[in-house]
Amino acid sequence: QQPVQSPQAVILREGEDAVINCSSSKALYSVHWYRQKHGEAPVFLMILLKGGEQKGHDKISASFNEKKQQSSLYLTASQLSYSGTYFCGTATGAGSYQLTFGKGTKLSVIP
Amino acid sequence: EADIYQTPRYLVIGTGKKITLECSQTMGHDKMYWYQQDPGMELHLIHYSYGVNSTEKGDLSSESTVSRIRTEHFPLTLESARPSHTSQYLCASSFGANVLTFGAGSRLTVL
Repeated sequence: QQPVQSPQAVILREGEDAVINCSSSKALYSVHWYRQKHGEAPVFLMILLKGGEQKGHDKISASFNEKKQQSSLYLTASQLSYSGTYFCGTATGAGSYQLTFGKGTKLSVIP
Repeated sequence: EADIYQTPRYLVIGTGKKITLECSQTMGHDKMYWYQQDPGMELHLIHYSYGVNSTEKGDLSSESTVSRIRTEHFPLTLESARPSHTSQYLCASSFGANVLTFGAGSRLTVL
């Protein structure tokens, strides 16, 4: 079943923060985050495994709440380069190599 | 630097034609995937392969077929293209933790 992402779209000014959520009605093993810029292929950002860990690099981080089956992507002090559509992809088992993607969140960062 | 290559990048053809979208990767990944993505929309898995001579259908029903005769090559074929097949087709590969590396995509338009 497809995970639900919110919000569908968000507009930020440079330097502002944003949170993108990804929820599933199924028990999850892992959550993946990808960013796709217009006209380009999706690019991997990070993966979170069952266990409620939090990860991050630079000013982008994410958490995974196993009890709620929800992951959140945090973008702090946004830059123009953060613009794009963010997709979460979920897997329900360790042996499941198929990701189910959400509908995406379109993020626009303006000067 | 792309390690997964898709050709053609753009293709415009008439209804009823047979087409093959090529996908090759140089990373030695065992798993490969085809996703279909309409503009601004989510990614839908249409085919995947866990290795040579292994192919499975994905969540989204597709009239296309795939083959995996060599580890590095995963072509997608449409025997008789129709306007409803107009879309972008993204090839991806993965290893281990299932982090997907996507190709640049093949944008197909069927007139």
